[in-house]
Amino acid sequence: AQSVAQPEDQVNVAEGNPLTVKCTYSVSGNPYLFWYVQYPNRGLQFLLKYITGDNLVKGSYGFEAEFNKSQTSFHLKKPSALVSDSALYFCAVRDLYSSASKIIFGSGTRLSIRP
Amino acid sequence: EPEVTQTPSHQVTQMGQEVILRCVPISNHLYFYWYRQILGQKVEFLVSFYNNEISEKSEIFDDQFSVERPDGSNFTLKIRSTKLEDSAMYFCASSEGSAGQETQYFGPGTRLLVL
Repeated sequence: AQSVAQPEDQVNVAEGNPLTVKCTYSVSGNPYLFWYVQYPNRGLQFLLKYITGDNLVKGSYGFEAEFNKSQTSFHLKKPSALVSDSALYFCAVRDLYSSASKIIFGSGTRLSIRP
Repeated sequence: EPEVTQTPSHQVTQMGQEVILRCVPISNHLYFYWYRQILGQKVEFLVSFYNNEISEKSEIFDDQFSVERPDGSNFTLKIRSTKLEDSAMYFCASSEGSAGQETQYFGPGTRLLVL
């Protein structure tokens, strides 16, 4: 079965410091991986995805993610955190055994950026 | 930028009542989805819809649930007789295609509270 795991419920970072939100995956075959962000009282916003090609994927709001096949990881990163980055972040994988290619989400990581 | 919209943002209902959650997917998208997130739990897939038919549904999506595209723009989720455990945030999503690399775009959600 396809799955993703987010080992940290919460990540705390000082503004201006680099941030990393961790994600590992377990899939059969080539993974299609996604990051979504949920701001308070907002829906799930697409940040970026890895399909194939360059292991470093750039997305919205200055975020990027690094696909590492040997470590089965897809960590989300940003070089310099902003207070406005505080939100709930979800890693997700496309279930390629699903006829509709449904998305399977991780449990989410709450990112808190302190001024 | 086109967005998925959902109404209402909040819905409070009595157990046993019917509710209809409404979604307007992105206009050129062909695949529609409903997901839900029970408080403190993962976002989980409910159903996918294409060409006026359900293409896949999860075990959660029992006979109490139904989906419909009543006109060219709306996509609805109906819960016939709500239960306490149906209390959750319900997200609508849409995508252009169903292939693994396609991005699903999510609406802001409807928070349903069943009393």
